[in-house]
Amino acid sequence: EADIYQTPRYLVIGTGKKITLECSQTMGHDKMYWYQQDPGMELHLIHYSYGVNSTEKGDLSSESTVSRIRTEHFPLTLESARPSHTSQYLCASSIDPQGAVGGYTFGSGTRLTVV
Amino acid sequence: AQRVTQPEKLLSVFKGAPVELKCNYSYSGSPELFWYVQYSRQRLQLLLRHISRESIKGFTADLNKGETSFHLKKPFAQEEDSAMYYCALRAYSNSGYALNFGKGTSLLVTP
Repeated sequence: EADIYQTPRYLVIGTGKKITLECSQTMGHDKMYWYQQDPGMELHLIHYSYGVNSTEKGDLSSESTVSRIRTEHFPLTLESARPSHTSQYLCASSIDPQGAVGGYTFGSGTRLTVV
Repeated sequence: AQRVTQPEKLLSVFKGAPVELKCNYSYSGSPELFWYVQYSRQRLQLLLRHISRESIKGFTADLNKGETSFHLKKPFAQEEDSAMYYCALRAYSNSGYALNFGKGTSLLVTP
């Protein structure tokens, strides 16, 4: 079934560890995004990609990095996790960058807690 | 800078009552606005977009450029409408085009 998948759903990890949050979609969308959302707050765009080998930083500065080696895969990596990275991370994809055609399709999110 | 403001964190109405979720935006360009909804234990999903001028699940939203608003309305709320609602603005910035989201409004419809 065409969808977007995020793993893990929940992650509790110690300070200083390297982590990778996975995001994969089977819809053939070129455009993919990572949003960060703290409880009760708006979603902030931290990374986006318009295609293979294309990655850009979003409006919210983030210490995380992303890669886009394959169309369907857009992982997010934190080299050294810190408590300030505790948040929910949402991955999304779309046919067009504005989401004007069919909107953005969101994954279920990864709730990260760094202790 | 572009911004989306949803002034109500929580809105509680009785079933059958009209509901209006407020959204105001600031953007110097030509705005395109959307409403996204997240039901309990489900993902964030697109509800409607202003460019389509559509009614989805009885909800409508009209873009008012004079008041820079895009309020979401439904004449008769149902219990299944209880969810988190996010207003989003498509805007161009240093990051290129992307969606900017408000903080969201939690709608609770009680019997």
